[in-house]
Amino acid sequence: QLQLQESGPGLVRPSETLSLTCSVSGGSISSGSNYWGWIRQPPGKGLEWIASIYYSGSTNYNPSLKSRVTISRDTSKNQFSLKLSSLTATDTAVYYCARHPEVYEDWFDPWGQGTLVTVSS
Amino acid sequence: SSELTQDPAVSVALGQTVRITCQGDSLRSYYASWYQQKPGQAPVVVIYGKNNRPSGIPDRFSGSSSGNTASLTITGAQAEDEADYYCNCRDSSGNHWVFGGGTKLTVL
Repeated sequence: QLQLQESGPGLVRPSETLSLTCSVSGGSISSGSNYWGWIRQPPGKGLEWIASIYYSGSTNYNPSLKSRVTISRDTSKNQFSLKLSSLTATDTAVYYCARHPEVYEDWFDPWGQGTLVTVSS
Repeated sequence: SSELTQDPAVSVALGQTVRITCQGDSLRSYYASWYQQKPGQAPVVVIYGKNNRPSGIPDRFSGSSSGNTASLTITGAQAEDEADYYCNCRDSSGNHWVFGGGTKLTVL
């Protein structure tokens, strides 16, 4: 059974860079036609797709965040990561990782449980 | 366009049918997927593609699409269906994904 688990700091300071990791078990991030993505949700607000990395290593970024975001992977650890720079309070959110297959009828599943990141001094 | 529009809130009487809609230009080219999110929990996919239900999702959930509008229908809504529902779709480029703003469903 495929499972994803986010990890990272719960509190980061404004202007710093956030680093999050998603650990995947029950399947390989480098096999199959899958994307591995990051989605966030500010408190009380909706979902926002941030970025995805394909099993081959190619990347896709939300245009509104592209200048501040880097998604990468470590196939030896079966993990993928997110870096978000120049943080402000508006980046405070629950950050989720999820798998989404490269198929015409695509979907995000499964999701990790999410990790709350607070940007505050 | 890279926007998906949903009604912020919808209510339904227990046992009745409710339709939640999602509008956006990219829906003319791509199917939507739909997610149910309960407080404090991660979203769960309930419908994807033309009208596909993942294993474990009750058959009272169904999906449809016409033009620039995708719909999630719950036939015989139950108390446990009270949640936030989000649609998702690729944008017109096909290289990015977009979520709708979400619909809060209240079961009366």
